[in-house]
Amino acid sequence: AQSVTQLDSHVSVSEGTPVLLRCNYSSSYSPSLFWYVQHPNKGLQLLLKYTSAATLVKGINGFEAEFKKSETSFHLTKPSAHMSDAAEYFCVSRRSGTYKYIFGTGTRLKVLA
Amino acid sequence: AAGVIQSPRHLIKEKRETATLKCYPIPRHDTVYWYQQGPGQDPQFLISFYEKMQSDKGSIPDRFSAQQFSDYHSELNMSSLELGDSALYFCASSLGQAVDYGYTFGSGTRLTVV
Repeated sequence: AQSVTQLDSHVSVSEGTPVLLRCNYSSSYSPSLFWYVQHPNKGLQLLLKYTSAATLVKGINGFEAEFKKSETSFHLTKPSAHMSDAAEYFCVSRRSGTYKYIFGTGTRLKVLA
Repeated sequence: AAGVIQSPRHLIKEKRETATLKCYPIPRHDTVYWYQQGPGQDPQFLISFYEKMQSDKGSIPDRFSAQQFSDYHSELNMSSLELGDSALYFCASSLGQAVDYGYTFGSGTRLTVV
């Protein structure tokens, strides 16, 4: 069975410092992986996606993620956090054989001034 | 660019009432997905439609039903509402089902059952 594990439910960083949000997946073969961001009372916005074309994926707002098959990880990073990055972040896998998403439980990012 | 439109944005209903949520996909998108996100929870897949036919089913209660119409908009009908149905309901759309580019989600309908 496929699953997605976000290792931290809450992450706090200072403005201007790097961001690391961790995600591990389990799958019998390479899935399609996504990171979505959800600001308070807002919809889910796609940050970036991995679909086997390149292991380092660049997304919007300076975010990027690296697919590491050996570690079954797809961690999200950003070199320098901005106050506007404070939100909930979901790591998502597209379930093989169907077209529905499997969501991780989310990581709430707090950015301190 | 046009996005996925959901209506209403907010809805307050009493227990045992019914509710209808609407989703208008991006023009030319033929596939619609419904997700339910409870307070502090990750979104859970409910149901999807492709070309007006149900294509997949998740954890949708029997009290809920949904359909996709000829113009590809979809409606989620919820009956005998319970307090636990209070959640944010998202709709997403895609062109076809081989979606590796990521779904486009609507802003959601926040349903509060009192």
